[in-house]
Amino acid sequence: DAMVIQNPRYQVTQFGKPVTLSCSQTLNHNVMYWYQQKSSQAPKLLFHYYDKDFNNEADTPDNFQSRRPNTSFCFLDIRSPGLGDAAMYLCATSREEAGTPLNEQFFGPGTRLTVL
Amino acid sequence: AQKVTQAQTEISVVEKEDVTLDCVYETRDTTYYLFWYKQPPSGELVFLIRRNSFDEQNEISGRYSWNFQKSTSSFNFTITASQVVDSAVYFCALADRGSTLGRLYFGRGTQLTVWP
Repeated sequence: DAMVIQNPRYQVTQFGKPVTLSCSQTLNHNVMYWYQQKSSQAPKLLFHYYDKDFNNEADTPDNFQSRRPNTSFCFLDIRSPGLGDAAMYLCATSREEAGTPLNEQFFGPGTRLTVL
Repeated sequence: AQKVTQAQTEISVVEKEDVTLDCVYETRDTTYYLFWYKQPPSGELVFLIRRNSFDEQNEISGRYSWNFQKSTSSFNFTITASQVVDSAVYFCALADRGSTLGRLYFGRGTQLTVWP
């Protein structure tokens, strides 16, 4: 089945120790998103890739970076995790074309990040 | 500015009861899209429906139905004959052409608990 896969499902890191979360998709969608979701809150968009074009949300901290080496994979790098970065990180994909309606996003199961 | 309000933080019902989840939105754009997503305890956001601003027809899908009313800027979601498996957090979301492509404005979510 076509899907969005996130690894690992649970990640524990230490304060200040860089961590990378990964996302892959078999949907061949051209747009990939990273969201941060803290407990009992709505998902918050960090950034997205439209094809190879990177789009950062204005309020996303510099501590968060992303890479998309090819259509199928996208990575979220947290350079120096702080306690406030503990959250669920959700990857999503969609197929978007200029001039057509916005399509639904398909989400992965998320990676729950714990910062000690 | 875009905004989605889900006034109900938590709802508890007993199995087989009908339940309606409220969603009120704000946007200045005349073209926009509304979504409902379900987030079960596993964490994955599951797409339920997309509705564009030009289509005010209500929709029914099995036990699920949606009531879109532009006059009141509402997009409410009703589950008929609720089941325990419906227990989840439900998010209403908005996307419009004024926002970054694909950017979803989420409400804070409604935690639905269905008791056996």
